[in-house]
Amino acid sequence: DTGVSQDPRHKITKRGQNVTFRCDPISEHNRLYWYRQTLGQGPEFLTYFQNEAQLEKSRLLSDRFSAERPKGSFSTLEIQRTEQGDSAMYLCASSLPGQYEQYFGPGTRLTVT
Amino acid sequence: AQTVTQSQPEMSVQEAETVTLSCTYDTSESNYYLFWYKQPPSRQMILVIRQEAYKQQNATENRFSVNFQKAAKSFSLKISDSQLGDTAMYFCAFMIAGNQFYFGTGTSLTVIP
Repeated sequence: DTGVSQDPRHKITKRGQNVTFRCDPISEHNRLYWYRQTLGQGPEFLTYFQNEAQLEKSRLLSDRFSAERPKGSFSTLEIQRTEQGDSAMYLCASSLPGQYEQYFGPGTRLTVT
Repeated sequence: AQTVTQSQPEMSVQEAETVTLSCTYDTSESNYYLFWYKQPPSRQMILVIRQEAYKQQNATENRFSVNFQKAAKSFSLKISDSQLGDTAMYFCAFMIAGNQFYFGTGTSLTVIP
């Protein structure tokens, strides 16, 4: 059990560029969650998957955001046409069927200049 | 709407002393789960303790215990024998079964040697 991993850990991009983040959950965890955390705030839910199905999306997830989990294992979160307001820590978490605690990855810190 | 309120943005405690972090929440659901997570500086979130709302007995994990008052929708965390490694941001969160977490804004705890 190597824990939830996220790549990259840091990303600096210019406004208007597209970025993609990857999350690898703990093996056998069928649920995968994405959160966004800004400075001084708690994480805010973006979306979650059960296996490959995206079951819920927050209103925070604008049309510029898209998430996938094509084979029910790793997931990607893409932000198109980045804006300065997208600067935040993007956290991924996973959980086992029937368990309610979520295990978090180290996050990807995005800075949009 | 589901909300979590942590009214203490910052707290400090002397090493070996006891400290209590406050959390209140609001939900109309009757079946939910409560959690405290710890986020050390520049490190990932770690589960500290969990409580099922249907259980009356307060959860305990070593030096960490909770005071769960369901009617008052209160879920405080007590840390006994505080250690320097307890310095971190603490987030209270709750989850309606199987779905997203709702986090508070966090309490920054500093343990003073």
